[in-house]
Amino acid sequence: AQKITQTQPGMFVQEKEAVTLDCTYDTSDPSYGLFWYKQPSSGEMIFLIYQGSYDQQNATEGRYSLNFQKARKSANLVISASQLGDSAMYFCAMREGTGGSEKLVFGKGTKLTVNP
Amino acid sequence: EAGVAQSPRYKIIEKRQSVAFWCNPISGHATLYWYQQILGQGPKLLIQFQNNGVVDDSQLPKDRFSAERLKGVDSTLKIQPAKLEDSAVYLCASSLRLAANNEQFFGPGTRLTVL
Repeated sequence: AQKITQTQPGMFVQEKEAVTLDCTYDTSDPSYGLFWYKQPSSGEMIFLIYQGSYDQQNATEGRYSLNFQKARKSANLVISASQLGDSAMYFCAMREGTGGSEKLVFGKGTKLTVNP
Repeated sequence: EAGVAQSPRYKIIEKRQSVAFWCNPISGHATLYWYQQILGQGPKLLIQFQNNGVVDDSQLPKDRFSAERLKGVDSTLKIQPAKLEDSAVYLCASSLRLAANNEQFFGPGTRLTVL
């Protein structure tokens, strides 16, 4: 069963507008973490933002915010004021496991294109 | 602070040949990960080391893949013999320690093409 679902293969947004990238997850573990990574065409994975399952407030990092809805098991990434350099693949990931065997499980990604 | 280093960046081999990838994590990072990213998919964890010990290799095809981190610093991932379906980007990542929100830092990856 797929644990991380990203339903948008591709998204387009105009420069300076906001965009939301969807992510839903599936786990029965009460303790988990959710991450978003950016992967430009150069290939490296760049960490953007993290949300812990017990965090009371939605995470924010500059222009990135995470819309965490625990009951709906969703962790959508919101990018405000899009820039041309935001064009990239975006991956949602969930940390699984405890006690020394934590690992990240990634979704299939969403390709974001920012138009001028 | 230097990032995660990987070499080579690109490799083309024929099926049934062997290949090895090298990774040097960020200095002081105890945890090292190897991921396989097939085109159009997210990365999939192959193996995870804590210092020089294996924490998780449940998704490593052990009949053809092997990895080691002998001195707890750099690591090599080997495929022998390679199959067509091994064509992918192999990403190495490291983190300071195993922890709930511990960010993983990724290297640039090695793009493997098996012909």
